[in-house]
Amino acid sequence: AQKVTQAQTEISVVEKEDVTLDCVYETRDTTYYLFWYKQPPSGELVFLIRRNSFDEQNEISGRYSWNFQKSTSSFNFTITASQVVDSAVYFCALSVPYNTDKLIFGTGTRLQVFP
Amino acid sequence: DAGVIQSPRHEVTEMGQEVTLRCKPISGHNSLFWYRQTMMRGLELLIYFNNNVPIDDSGMPEDRFSAKMPNASFSTLKIQPSEPRDSAVYFCASSPGQGRYEQYFGPGTRLTVT
Repeated sequence: AQKVTQAQTEISVVEKEDVTLDCVYETRDTTYYLFWYKQPPSGELVFLIRRNSFDEQNEISGRYSWNFQKSTSSFNFTITASQVVDSAVYFCALSVPYNTDKLIFGTGTRLQVFP
Repeated sequence: DAGVIQSPRHEVTEMGQEVTLRCKPISGHNSLFWYRQTMMRGLELLIYFNNNVPIDDSGMPEDRFSAKMPNASFSTLKIQPSEPRDSAVYFCASSPGQGRYEQYFGPGTRLTVT
């Protein structure tokens, strides 16, 4: 069975702090995809990144970076120099396309960035 | 390019009424998903279609819920009769397929059943 765990339910930081959101996944399949989504207070779900199981290179996009480690089944998300606009709920998700097109979502981490 | 379009954005209805939610996926995407989000249950997948064919409807709560995808550019989710516990935000998402499995979400429909 597949599962995604986001153990941090809520994180509060002050602007300009760095923050890491944890994501741990479970799957027995060797081919899978991992995703991060952002849900700001306005409510829409915004796709941030996709990673496949064969590519363990870390990725950086501006202030965002992602650390994928198969050895620990983790796909963590770091925001550098956080800003108030980063306040949102962030979801990690897993897809095992061999079986299904479904995304298995974690329960989300609410990030609050205070000025 | 237009994203996923959902209508209406807000719907308030009385218990027992029929509710129809609509979705237009991104052009060229071959998978479409319906989700429901509540505080209590989080984000739940209700049903998804691949090339307009329903693949997995195991998340549909009960027979009061039905979904159709008559063509590649339109899908509906219908609740008949509606109940207060159906109050939630309903999201539609589409996915490109062909090796790309990320889903792009619409803005959601906030449904309130009184």
